[in-house]
Amino acid sequence: TQLLEQSPQFLSIQEGENLTVYCNSSSVFSSLQWYRQEPGEGPVLLVTVVTGGEVKKLKRLTFQFGDARKDSSLHITAAQPGDTGLYLCAGVPLHGNNRLAFGKGNQVVVIP
Amino acid sequence: SQTIHQWPATLVQPVGSPLSLECTVEGTSNPNLYWYRQAAGRGLQLLFYSVGIGQISSEVPQNLSASRPQDRQFILSSKKLLLSDSGFYLCAWSVLKSYEQYFGPGTRLTVT
Repeated sequence: TQLLEQSPQFLSIQEGENLTVYCNSSSVFSSLQWYRQEPGEGPVLLVTVVTGGEVKKLKRLTFQFGDARKDSSLHITAAQPGDTGLYLCAGVPLHGNNRLAFGKGNQVVVIP
Repeated sequence: SQTIHQWPATLVQPVGSPLSLECTVEGTSNPNLYWYRQAAGRGLQLLFYSVGIGQISSEVPQNLSASRPQDRQFILSSKKLLLSDSGFYLCAWSVLKSYEQYFGPGTRLTVT
């Protein structure tokens, strides 16, 4: 079973629109990270959220960690073609094997 | 600043042939090192991780092995490749006691 479920798996939107993608689990995490991966390249770390309810902003990207530290969301405002990519969430469960677990990703395509 | 290198970038190998992928990190000492495989551009499967020279932990029983002959060098090997070994192989590093990982550019392996 997948520890981190990401939804939607695929999302295509027009430039200028807003979007939100989700990362959910039944487990509690000490922290969650979001990465962006472009085709043929390695993932790049965007942000780490640590505290339940925490909100972090990175330009037009807003990341939120759920109050119970079981889920996270990524909201992109006024999406641009450069936001196209696979967004991966990852985290270490509070009660687990101390390994970073990855979701399968949200594939986002922003059409010019 | 820290950088991570992987080579080769792409590789096409016949079934039954050996494999050697190399990863090196610059600008940091005593990093944790990781090998991942990513199938079909989604989801990262942790294959091996290392906390120091000669210390390798295997996450998934498979046809592959890993070695860490130097502090900042991590090698992924196979004696005989299988078709199922095809995929995108990613090396990553993190500082000690941190779960934030930094990925290399990856190697696309096709076994024919």
